[in-house]
Amino acid sequence: QVHLVESGGGLIQPGRSLRLSCAASGFTFSSYAMHWVRQAPGKGLEWVALILYDGSNKYYADSVKGRITISRDNSKNTLYLQMNSLRVEDTAVYYCAGSGYPYTMDVWGQGTTVTVSS
Amino acid sequence: QSALTQPASVSGSPGQSITISCTGTSSDVGDYNYVSWYQQHPGKAPKLMIYEVSNRPSGVSNRFSGSKSGNTASLTISGLQAEDEADYYCSSYTSGSTRYVFGTGTKVTVL
Repeated sequence: QVHLVESGGGLIQPGRSLRLSCAASGFTFSSYAMHWVRQAPGKGLEWVALILYDGSNKYYADSVKGRITISRDNSKNTLYLQMNSLRVEDTAVYYCAGSGYPYTMDVWGQGTTVTVSS
Repeated sequence: QSALTQPASVSGSPGQSITISCTGTSSDVGDYNYVSWYQQHPGKAPKLMIYEVSNRPSGVSNRFSGSKSGNTASLTISGLQAEDEADYYCSSYTSGSTRYVFGTGTKVTVL
């Protein structure tokens, strides 16, 4: 059974750092490109970052470029999102998603909530 | 990269058909057949309903169909059911450095 479980969210002050994790099971993680997508309270989905199956290429939304780093450890079947210099506007539910079908996101986790507030 | 444009809300009665539009540009929807549609119920994670404009993943009802013309993609839900009441988002691959963009989202209400 395909499964993604995010962790690492919580309440954090502006300017601080946080690392999210996404543990994968039930599929060949090392064959999937992986995404982070976020959703601010009451708002729509916002694509955040993409990493290819082997970690060779990474892409970011303009809103997070320079502050956020996506990475993966295929030996641990885990995806990461390192978030630095957090802002109030980074408050959101963060989902990890996998691309079993090319150019789409067909496997989703349940999300982890990040709240940036002083 | 601006979000793709969707109507804020669409409604229909049970059994009817509704169509949700998703308008982008020649850098995303118009240039690639990599448009996806997602369904999201309140408090739940999104679920893939359509990929590559018109393909349904295994397990998705054939009441859901997708199409594209120029810079606009569309999702049609036929035989509307109460369980279809949810938010729907389109997304597209884009030639920009950001690679992906979502639509603004559409709330579907079953009357």
